[in-house]
Amino acid sequence: GAVVSQHPSWVICKSGTSVKIECRSLDFQATTMFWYRQFPKQSLMLMATSNEGSKATYEQGVEKDKFLINHASLTLSTLTVTSAHPEDSSFYICSAPGTSGHNEQFFGPGTRLTVL
Amino acid sequence: AQSVTQLDSHVSVSEGTPVLLRCNYSSSYSPSLFWYVQHPNKGLQLLLKYTSAATLVKGINGFEAEFKKSETSFHLTKPSAHMSDAAEYFCVVSDLSGTYKYIFGTGTRLKVLA
Repeated sequence: GAVVSQHPSWVICKSGTSVKIECRSLDFQATTMFWYRQFPKQSLMLMATSNEGSKATYEQGVEKDKFLINHASLTLSTLTVTSAHPEDSSFYICSAPGTSGHNEQFFGPGTRLTVL
Repeated sequence: AQSVTQLDSHVSVSEGTPVLLRCNYSSSYSPSLFWYVQHPNKGLQLLLKYTSAATLVKGINGFEAEFKKSETSFHLTKPSAHMSDAAEYFCVVSDLSGTYKYIFGTGTRLKVLA
């Protein structure tokens, strides 16, 4: 149980285009999901907290107009990178907290974005 | 505020020798602590978690960690390293404010030498 999927697993796009990444909780409901960004050989950086039915909460320094987050249902959150540029190339990972009460998060497999 | 420090950015061991990856945390309360492993270009896999039950926590693939409150440590160990253990390891403390946020350590890259 507690499986989180991401789609696509990798994407290449041209500079100036927008890219949407989906995060789904497959066998549980998630009113909250998290989006992380990871640069090569670095740790995960929390970008934002996605909240079902309300606006996302962005971490300091993350451009909310650049990284649009929509939590459309209890099992789906999307991250759209708008007007992507090469510096947006990164590994994007989502997660969702489980229901065990121990604050454990379950991570998606990640999406590799390359902007040409 | 909570924080987590991974003391070594890189650790190299020979195959068959013990592994020790160090993690210290800072928290005003009894925290939830986790160790995750990440293989190249892969997502995160949970190795083990401490959630205020037993202080010695056993995880997958022979890993274990001991929660030591007096030392504010949660070091990860394995008696005998295998080549497949080569990966990035992250120590994580969970925010206790109810937001479920994770606070990640900077990671330790484990290299296993043949």
